[in-house]
Amino acid sequence: KAGVTQTPRYLIKTRGQQVTLSCSPISGHRSVSWYQQTPGQGLQFLFEYFSETQRNKGNFPGRFSGRQFSNSRSEMNVSTLELGDSALYLCASSLAGGAASNEQFFGPGTRLTVL
Amino acid sequence: AQKVTQAQTEISVVEKEDVTLDCVYETRDTTYYLFWYKQPPSGELVFLIRRNSFDEQNEISGRYSWNFQKSTSSFNFTITASQVVDSAVYFCAVSGGYQKVTFGTGTKLQVIP
Repeated sequence: KAGVTQTPRYLIKTRGQQVTLSCSPISGHRSVSWYQQTPGQGLQFLFEYFSETQRNKGNFPGRFSGRQFSNSRSEMNVSTLELGDSALYLCASSLAGGAASNEQFFGPGTRLTVL
Repeated sequence: AQKVTQAQTEISVVEKEDVTLDCVYETRDTTYYLFWYKQPPSGELVFLIRRNSFDEQNEISGRYSWNFQKSTSSFNFTITASQVVDSAVYFCAVSGGYQKVTFGTGTKLQVIP
């Protein structure tokens, strides 16, 4: 079974631009969660999607948004990038019960650098 | 609100020593789940264990063991006879019901050969 894939793996953007990151979950997994990982803040929950609906949302500004498609693939978008958005963005998929009660399978992450 | 405290930021041990990683959690839910994940230098987080709040039995898996104590809100992780391959950042996490998963800040373990 293929693992969670994330594209692109690395991204360099400048302040003010926007970016879209993509995540393909493990086949059969309907829950996709996104996390931001930084040295200072650790792993911060962004949002979780289940069956194309946002189930939970973390404490991030509205510049961070996401969506999930009918095939469970998910994208997250960050608009008006700021220097502080530089981070490793991790995607994780889990079974139908969702991330809260199931093992999460993490992708390798997208390393975003904002200049 | 949920919170996980991993007070040990970094730990160094010599190979074959035993090491315990501490995890203290806070949650208002009566039903919740606890997790441990490992993030090796390669970067990809790997699931180690899940425990629900009704199961206080300790668990052993090879050199790994977990001690869940509801009375002290702790879910500690012990590695017996540590190996260099155990070097990684270890994260403890808690979630309640359909709420988000809250991770601790992680403990970086370095096993010196």
